[in-house]
Amino acid sequence: LAKTTQPISMDSYEGQEVNITCSHNNIATNDYITWYQQFPSQGPRFIIQGYKTKVTNEVASLFIPADRKSSTLSLPRVSLSDTAVYYCLVGVSGGSYIPTFGRGTSLIVHP
Amino acid sequence: DSGVTQTPKHLITATGQRVTLRCSPRSGDLSVYWYQQSLDQGLQFLIQYYNGEERAKGNILERFSAQQFPDLHSELNLSSLELGDSALYFCASSVGASGREKNIQYFGAGTRLSVL
Repeated sequence: LAKTTQPISMDSYEGQEVNITCSHNNIATNDYITWYQQFPSQGPRFIIQGYKTKVTNEVASLFIPADRKSSTLSLPRVSLSDTAVYYCLVGVSGGSYIPTFGRGTSLIVHP
Repeated sequence: DSGVTQTPKHLITATGQRVTLRCSPRSGDLSVYWYQQSLDQGLQFLIQYYNGEERAKGNILERFSAQQFPDLHSELNLSSLELGDSALYFCASSVGASGREKNIQYFGAGTRLSVL
C-alpha cells in the first residue's frame, strides 16, 4: 500500500508562512494530491487539490515537484484559527483507487 | 457545512452489539466513502460505493458491512462490537468515482461510537 509521511507536529507564529511537506513515494501515475484541515471532533475540510506544479487558491498553495513523490502545502500568514491537523491524501499505486491519508501534521500557531 | 449529513452524532453501546451509521451525501454526489478515525490509527479508509455499487475496499473488518441505496444514502453496519471499535466514523461524498481525476471528497461531521 502507498505510504505517506508527514511531520507529526509543527509550531509557528501568527503572520508567518507555514510549509508542510508530505512524502508519497508510491503515488500512482494518475492520482491527484489533496490536502485537508481538521479541527478536533470535526470532519476533515478540503483545502486544496493538485496534480503537478503549483496550484493556488484563496487560502493556500500546493507545490508538487516533477517526480510527484512529495507535495508541500503552503499557508501564507497563518493566524491562531489555523491551529489544526493537516492531512495529505493520495491513492495507492495500481489497481483500484484506495484513498490513503497521511498520519497528519498538528500545526500550532502561537500569538 | 459540507452538505454531507451523518446520523447519529453519538452512539454508546455495549460489546457484542450491532449498530448502524447513516450517511446522506451532498446533492449530486454519486460516491460515498467510509472512514474510521481512532487516536492511534489516523484516518483509515474502509469502503467506497459509487452509484450503488461497491467501488473500492480498504481495511474493513468482516464484522463491518455497508451498502448504498437507490437514493444514494449509505449505511455502515458494525456488528459483534468490540472495545477497539470505539472511534470516530466519517462519511465523505464526491461527484466522481476516484482520485484518478479531479475529484474532491467532502466529509460529514462524523459519528462518535463508544463501545463499553
